[in-house]
Amino acid sequence: KQEVTQIPAALSVPEGENLVLNCSFTDSAIYNLQWFRQDPGKGLTSLLLIQSSQREQTSGRLNASLDKSSGRSTLYIAASQPGDSATYLCAMETGGFKTIFGAGTRLFVKA
Amino acid sequence: ETGVTQTPRHLVMGMTNKKSLKCEQHLGHNAMYWYKQSAKKPLELMFVYSLEERVENNSVPSRFSPECPNSSHLFLHLHTLQPEDSALYLCASSQLGGPPLHFGNGTRLTVT
Repeated sequence: KQEVTQIPAALSVPEGENLVLNCSFTDSAIYNLQWFRQDPGKGLTSLLLIQSSQREQTSGRLNASLDKSSGRSTLYIAASQPGDSATYLCAMETGGFKTIFGAGTRLFVKA
Repeated sequence: ETGVTQTPRHLVMGMTNKKSLKCEQHLGHNAMYWYKQSAKKPLELMFVYSLEERVENNSVPSRFSPECPNSSHLFLHLHTLQPEDSALYLCASSQLGGPPLHFGNGTRLTVT
C-alpha cells in the first residue's frame, strides 16, 4: 500500500528558529513530491514541487529536498515567523492522476 | 478572484436531504478533482475528471455523485448522507493531471 507519513504531527517553535519537517513515502517510483501549506479552514497552497529527477527546490526561506532511494523528503524553513504557522502537507504523485497525501505537520511559531 | 472557487463555504444538512457542492476553476485546466479531508486524516481522493470524463472513482459510496458538465465546472451531488461524511470537501484542478494541484478553499459539510 502506498503511504506518506509525516513526522512530527505537531511542532511549536519560537520565532526565528530554523526548522525541518519530515516526510517519508513508500514508493520509490514517484513522479514528483509536492509540499503544500494549509491555513485553518482553507484549501491547500502549493509551496514547492520536486520532480523525480531533481534533488531539491528552493523558494525564499523554504528549501525542500528529495531522496528517492531512502523514500524521504524534508522541508526546511529558515528564520521562522508567526505567519508561517499553518499545517504543512507533503504529497507524492505516482502517476495516473493519483496524488497521495500525508496527514500533515501542524506548525505553530510563537512570537 | 481565486483560481478555484467552491460554493457554499459551509453546509449543514440532514441525513435525508439532497444538496450539491459546486466548484469552478478559472485557470484553463482540463483535470478536476474532489478530495475529502476528515479531521487528522490524510486527504482522500474521491473522483477525478480529465477532459470532462471521469477517470478515477476511488471506491466512493453511491450517495456521492459527481458531475462535470464542462472543463471549468465540477459538482458533487449529495443524498442520504451519514454523519461520518461530515468533513471538508476540497476541489482541485490541474493541467492534464500534472502538478501542481490548485485547490479551492473547500466546503465544510456537517451532516446531522
